Amino acid sequence: SQTIHQWPATLVQPVGSPLSLECTVEGTSNPNLYWYRQAAGRGLQLLFYSVGIGQISSEVPQNLSASRPQDRQFILSSKKLLLSDSGFYLCASRTSANTGELFFGEGSRLTVL
Amino acid sequence: AQSVTQLDSQVPVFEEAPVELRCNYSSSVSVYLFWYVQYPNQGLQLLLKYLSGSTLVKGINGFEAEFNKSQTSFHLRKPSVHISDTAEYFCAVTSGAGSYQLTFGKGTKLSVIP
Repeated sequence: SQTIHQWPATLVQPVGSPLSLECTVEGTSNPNLYWYRQAAGRGLQLLFYSVGIGQISSEVPQNLSASRPQDRQFILSSKKLLLSDSGFYLCASRTSANTGELFFGEGSRLTVL
Repeated sequence: AQSVTQLDSQVPVFEEAPVELRCNYSSSVSVYLFWYVQYPNQGLQLLLKYLSGSTLVKGINGFEAEFNKSQTSFHLRKPSVHISDTAEYFCAVTSGAGSYQLTFGKGTKLSVIP
């Protein structure tokens, strides 16, 4: 079965500082990978998804970017954080190509001050 | 385009009482439906899923859901809740094969009162 590792689990950063959140997946190969953000009262917002190395699709214009340097590695970045970037960031892997079911990591909580 | 509406943002219920969390979806094609649970400061865990076949789907922790195509609903039920069921529950829909997106509702916070 799959395992998704996210780090750091918790992060407090000042406005204007850079960001790097990392996600690695074990137990599968060539997965579709996703970054979601969860803000209070707003449900889950899909930020980026990737179908392969170097292939990134952005769902919402953001102060954020994503990269996939390796098959099972997905990175979320920002050059300058905004207060509105605060939230709970979830990495997910698609478990089945046919059903669209996702498997989630434990999340990274970002607070921008 | 597909969308999901979870009609209740918060549902308080007493321990050992039954509960129903409502979910309606809209899609122009056949769908696959999911319920996920999220405990505080954790990721989402799959509770159950409807792909095809029987419209009554049973999941983990005693939960079940019924797919109703005519009403475009996929309500989640449990006959007797426990304190440990306190969590946020998300309904999600995808049009399946070839679709890269799983669309989520805004979530329902279930609070079980002792």
